[in-house]
Amino acid sequence: QKEVEQDPGPLSVPEGAIVSLNCTYSNSAFQYFMWYRQYSRKGPELLMYTYSSGNKEDGRFTAQVDKSSKYISLFIRDSQPSDSATYLCAMSLRNFNKFYFGSGTKLNVKP
Amino acid sequence: EPEVTQTPSHQVTQMGQEVILRCVPISNHLYFYWYRQILGQKVEFLVSFYNNEISEKSEIFDDQFSVERPDGSNFTLKIRSTKLEDSAMYFCASSVDRQAEAFFGQGTRLTVV
Repeated sequence: QKEVEQDPGPLSVPEGAIVSLNCTYSNSAFQYFMWYRQYSRKGPELLMYTYSSGNKEDGRFTAQVDKSSKYISLFIRDSQPSDSATYLCAMSLRNFNKFYFGSGTKLNVKP
Repeated sequence: EPEVTQTPSHQVTQMGQEVILRCVPISNHLYFYWYRQILGQKVEFLVSFYNNEISEKSEIFDDQFSVERPDGSNFTLKIRSTKLEDSAMYFCASSVDRQAEAFFGQGTRLTVV
């Protein structure tokens, strides 16, 4: 069973749409949850970082963690063409020595 | 804004040669990581490093790999005898604290021919 599962997409939406990106995981010991944005052939750029369950909002981005369902989400409001990228979820155990990444969801926001 | 910088951006090497990938982490960060991403695949953990010691390493990080912090600013990944399957993007990351966010560099694309 894979540690972190993420739908690879591609996900294509019109500009202004609300985007929902999701990951599921199998290891209930994961404590820290992150979302990264990666443009083609570039490094992952940190978007959101959350600890344990709950919601966190930052501008147009909202991260949700549901530990009981082993499910995390990233919502993007009022999506823009510049949001077109691959979105990676990542998670870590309590010792935070390493991150387990999802395979990434490719998002295309059409003008 | 502080950032993690990696050099070179692209390295081509012959199979069997040694390569050193260089990283300058964010200056007040204490925890350092190397990850790699083979084209079309997941970002994979290689090694984490703190206080001049390896904290954890993956199965990929075998005897051909080593890391070093030769001075107060650089963090290097050495691959001793490169193989074709080592071709990938290699990312360095750093964080200020064990449980703080990790910031990634732009990567070094390694091509082994």
